[in-house]
Amino acid sequence: QKEVEQNSGPLSVPEGAIASLNCTYSDRVSQSFFWYRQYSGKSPELIMSIYSNGDKEDGRFTAQLNKASQYVSLLIRDSQPSDSATYLCAASPSNTGKLIFGQGTTLQVKP
Amino acid sequence: EPEVTQTPSHQVTQMGQEVILRCVPISNHLYFYWYRQILGQKVEFLVSFYNNEISEKSEIFDDQFSVERPDGSNFTLKIRSTKLEDSAMYFCASSESGGITEAFFGQGTRLTVV
Repeated sequence: QKEVEQNSGPLSVPEGAIASLNCTYSDRVSQSFFWYRQYSGKSPELIMSIYSNGDKEDGRFTAQLNKASQYVSLLIRDSQPSDSATYLCAASPSNTGKLIFGQGTTLQVKP
Repeated sequence: EPEVTQTPSHQVTQMGQEVILRCVPISNHLYFYWYRQILGQKVEFLVSFYNNEISEKSEIFDDQFSVERPDGSNFTLKIRSTKLEDSAMYFCASSESGGITEAFFGQGTRLTVV
């Protein structure tokens, strides 16, 4: 069974702090990984994609991938109250584009 | 900015009825997907579609479900003989290609089976 695991949280950080979100995956075949943000009642919104080991930065967001440890993370710098949402980690285990999602981590950024 | 659009935003149907959920993927995308999310649960993959045929489907996607691209722009999910447990948010998504590619989601259709 191919799984993506996340701590459901909530993860609470003060405004301006760094939020660190983590994800592990079970299927070594997966080569592509994605972070989506989902506000309550809304659809997943793509934040970052990462395909290679190491770090990838985009504005306040940094995604990190370690294929040997089967571990993906997302760092959000200078967290804002508007970042409060559920963050979904997804892995793509095949060339059909299918995504396997984790259950999501709820982030609360307190003013 | 191009986006995936879904209609209707909310559909209420009686148990046993058939529903069709509609999606217009991003115009230059070649791969299309349906996902569902039962309230409080994970986003679950249903099916991927490429070159006018299903390229992969999940165990959830049984004979009750079918997909179709009836014309050059629409992509539909048909659910026959709906059950109470089909109540969920259904998301359409599209991507330029499969595998190493980014998928973009529509705003979803909330299906309520009563």
